[in-house]
Amino acid sequence: ETGVTQTPRHLVMGMTNKKSLKCEQHLGHNAMYWYKQSAKKPLELMFVYNFKEQTENNSVPSRFSPECPNSSHLFLHLHTLQPEDSALYLCASSQLDTQYFGPGTRLTVL
Amino acid sequence: GQNIDQPTEMTATEGAIVQINCTYQTSGFNGLFWYQQHAGEAPTFLSYNVLDGLEEKGRFSSFLSRSKGYSYLLLKELQMKDSASYLCARSGDSNYQLIWGAGTKLIIKP
Repeated sequence: ETGVTQTPRHLVMGMTNKKSLKCEQHLGHNAMYWYKQSAKKPLELMFVYNFKEQTENNSVPSRFSPECPNSSHLFLHLHTLQPEDSALYLCASSQLDTQYFGPGTRLTVL
Repeated sequence: GQNIDQPTEMTATEGAIVQINCTYQTSGFNGLFWYQQHAGEAPTFLSYNVLDGLEEKGRFSSFLSRSKGYSYLLLKELQMKDSASYLCARSGDSNYQLIWGAGTKLIIKP
């Protein structure tokens, strides 16, 4: 079990829908991350927040919009996604180098 | 470059020993992580090596050679539950950013 939770665990959406992914960490960490995981590919870092401030944005399309209201919560707002955006979206948190992951949201875009 | 290379898939027998190798670019290196990820679940932290040598944690050990840009994860007395993907990651040049390998899928056979 981890101290990082994610909802929903599964999401199916059409290309015109708007949805949000939620992540919450109960570990007292100061940094939170969004990753995309596609089959047989390395984890792709999307966004990093440190003390609620965004420190990394790895050229992610604007149809993905992060929000970090406090150090414990992280959202990923989704709109007008493409089928190639279907993947497992993982949230993680860390205090220093070691990152702790949530169970992920399996996203399917139709 | 910052490539991390590890085998795509390995097969081993229950009760045996298996070594999963990982090579990485050495520039800007801080440390090397190993994570385990069961299908449909979150990656979970196994080990973090900063100094050269072997670190043992029960049935799992991790080795690092900084000069060679090489690490391995050694799993002893394999159990069926060890069937999972094993992810290698190195600390990157940016704070809080890890560079990930694509993972090694380990299949354990009776």
